[in-house]
Amino acid sequence: KAGVTQTPRYLIKTRGQQVTLSCSPISGHRSVSWYQQTPGQGLQFLFEYFSETQRNKGNFPGRFSGRQFSNSRSEMNVSTLELGDSALYLCASSAQPAAGGRHYEQYFGPGTRLTVT
Amino acid sequence: AQTVTQSQPEMSVQEAETVTLSCTYDTSESDYYLFWYKQPPSRQMILVIRQEAYKQQNATENRFSVNFQKAAKSFSLKISDSQLGDAAMYFCAYRSRRVNQNFVFGPGTRLSVLP
Repeated sequence: KAGVTQTPRYLIKTRGQQVTLSCSPISGHRSVSWYQQTPGQGLQFLFEYFSETQRNKGNFPGRFSGRQFSNSRSEMNVSTLELGDSALYLCASSAQPAAGGRHYEQYFGPGTRLTVT
Repeated sequence: AQTVTQSQPEMSVQEAETVTLSCTYDTSESDYYLFWYKQPPSRQMILVIRQEAYKQQNATENRFSVNFQKAAKSFSLKISDSQLGDAAMYFCAYRSRRVNQNFVFGPGTRLSVLP
């Protein structure tokens, strides 16, 4: 089974621009979560989508948004980029709990390294 | 809100030796999951081991085992026979069993393995 994929892997943008990152979850997984990873702040939860609906949201400004499509692929968008948005953005997918299943384990993609100059 | 603490920002271990990484968490819930994730340098984050809070038995996966102390809210990871490939950032994570809850990660511990 293919793992979580993220595109692009690397991105350089300038302040004020906007960016869209894409994540394709493991086949059959319907939940997709996004995280921002920086050396100073560690892993910060951005949001989670399940069945095209945002189920949870972290403490990030409205410049950060996302969506999920009917095939469970997800995108996140950051508008009006700031220098502090430079980070590794990780996507993780998980299956829904099922009797006897491995509940709630998240499987991570390789990340998109965003640099804002 | 739940929090996860990893009090050791960096640790090192000699190859073939044993090392224990600490993790404590704070929650008022009784039913949850705990995880250890490993992130090698410039590589993908992978799940190392998982523990369900209602299970008293400590989880083990080959050379990796945990010491789960529910009352103390402690969840340490023991790596036996350390190998060079174990060098990575290790993250402890908490996930409530309630629906619509997100993962909470600790700040991570950077493990170096010395040859």
